Amino acid sequence: QVQLVQSGAEVKTPGASVKVSCKASGYTFTGHNIHWVRQAPGQGLEWMGWINPNSDNTNYAQKFQGRVTMTRDTSISTAYMELNSLRSDDTAVYYCALGGGRYHFDHWGQGTLVTVSA
Amino acid sequence: QSALTQPRSVSGSPGQSVTISCTGTSSDVGGYNSVSWYQQHPGKAPKYMIYDVSKRPSGVPDRFSGSKSGNTASLTISGLQAEDEADYYCCSYAGSNTYVFGIGTKVTVL
Repeated sequence: QVQLVQSGAEVKTPGASVKVSCKASGYTFTGHNIHWVRQAPGQGLEWMGWINPNSDNTNYAQKFQGRVTMTRDTSISTAYMELNSLRSDDTAVYYCALGGGRYHFDHWGQGTLVTVSA
Repeated sequence: QSALTQPRSVSGSPGQSVTISCTGTSSDVGGYNSVSWYQQHPGKAPKYMIYDVSKRPSGVPDRFSGSKSGNTASLTISGLQAEDEADYYCCSYAGSNTYVFGIGTKVTVL
């Protein structure tokens, strides 16, 4: 069965960077986009962008352009999301999600809590 | 890109029906038949319930249905059950390979 397993919680200081991983299994990794979505405490879901693991093409939400980088390692079926210049309002749970269909996200990782605090 | 508008909360008694609206613009909800809905229980990852406006994935009860009219999509839960109490989010394709979520709606089963 499809599984997306994310790396563990992180605590970072303002200005630092964080890199979250998402290891995929149960399907052909290069066959579908991986999206990243975040959720601040008590808040809603926010789409951040996607990566095509086959072509390495990416597309980022305008809000995050210049600060986010999505990469992948096909040899280990893992996608990564790196966010730079962290601020306190980047404190959130970050999810990877599989774009199995064309316009929706049909499997989600368990989420990774990133806390930004001085 | 602004978040899609949803009511903050809706409630209903067991067995009743509730409908959650999701209002966007002609650049997202109104422009594409690509609205999906996600259910999220506290502390859990979202789960997709509806895609392409009204299609239901296997395993999702047929109590859940979706529709769209103009710039507004809707999710209806018929025969409300206790386990339906959760947060629900709509999401729409917004062109140029981007997506936008709704602000989320808390469904309470009375």
